Amino acid sequence: AQKVTQAQTEISVVEKEDVTLDCVYETRDTTYYLFWYKQPPSGELVFLIRRNSFDEQNEISGRYSWNFQKSTSSFNFTITASQVVDSAVYFCALIGTQGGSEKLVFGKGTKLTVNP
Amino acid sequence: DAGVTQSPTHLIKTRGQQVTLRCSPKSGHDTVSWYQQALGQGPQFIFQYYEEEERQRGNFPDRFSGHQFPNYSSELNVNALLLGDSALYLCASSLTGEWNTEAFFGQGTRLTVV
Repeated sequence: AQKVTQAQTEISVVEKEDVTLDCVYETRDTTYYLFWYKQPPSGELVFLIRRNSFDEQNEISGRYSWNFQKSTSSFNFTITASQVVDSAVYFCALIGTQGGSEKLVFGKGTKLTVNP
Repeated sequence: DAGVTQSPTHLIKTRGQQVTLRCSPKSGHDTVSWYQQALGQGPQFIFQYYEEEERQRGNFPDRFSGHQFPNYSSELNVNALLLGDSALYLCASSLTGEWNTEAFFGQGTRLTVV
C-alpha cells in the first residue's frame, strides 16, 4: 500500500520567515513520482513540483526548494522569505507505477498561514 | 488553451437525491480521474477513466459511478446521496503513461448535501 504522511496540520509564520513543510511517504514501487500541490481558498490544486524516484537532486525554484531523500523516504518543501500570498494548504502526493496504477495518493495537507 | 473545467461550481442537494458532475479535460489529455476531498482532508481517489472505460477504482461504493465520452470529457454520478457525500469533487486530467508530466486539476465542484 502507498501512503503519504504530512505530520504538520497547521503552521503559522510571520512574513519573511523561512518555513519547511514535511512529507514522508511509503511505497514498495521502485519507480514512483512525488508531487507538491498548493491549494488556495479557491479550491484548485496548483502543481508546484514533480520528482521521480531516480532523481534525488534537490531543486530550487525562486523562493521554493525541495529536499528529496530516499534513505528517509522524505520529500520536504521549504519556502524562503515567506510572503502572505504563500498562505494556502499544501499537499504532498505520490504516484506509483507498478500494476498500471496512475492514481495520486495525497497526504492530509499542511495549512500554512503567513501573517504580515 | 483552456485547462480542466468542471461544472457546476457549487451544488446543493437533498439526501437521497442523485447528482451529476461534469469535467472537460485539458486539450490533448486522454485520461480523467476523479477525487473527493472532504473538509480538512486530502483528496481521495474515486476512479479513473481511459478510453471510455473505468480503469481503476478507489474505495468508494457503487453509488459512485462515472462515464467518459469519446471527446474524453467525463461525468461523475452519485446516487442516493448521503450527508457524508458533502465534499469538494476534483477532476484531474493527464496523458496515460506520461507521469513525467503533471496532472492538471480543475477548480472543483463543491457539493453540499442537506
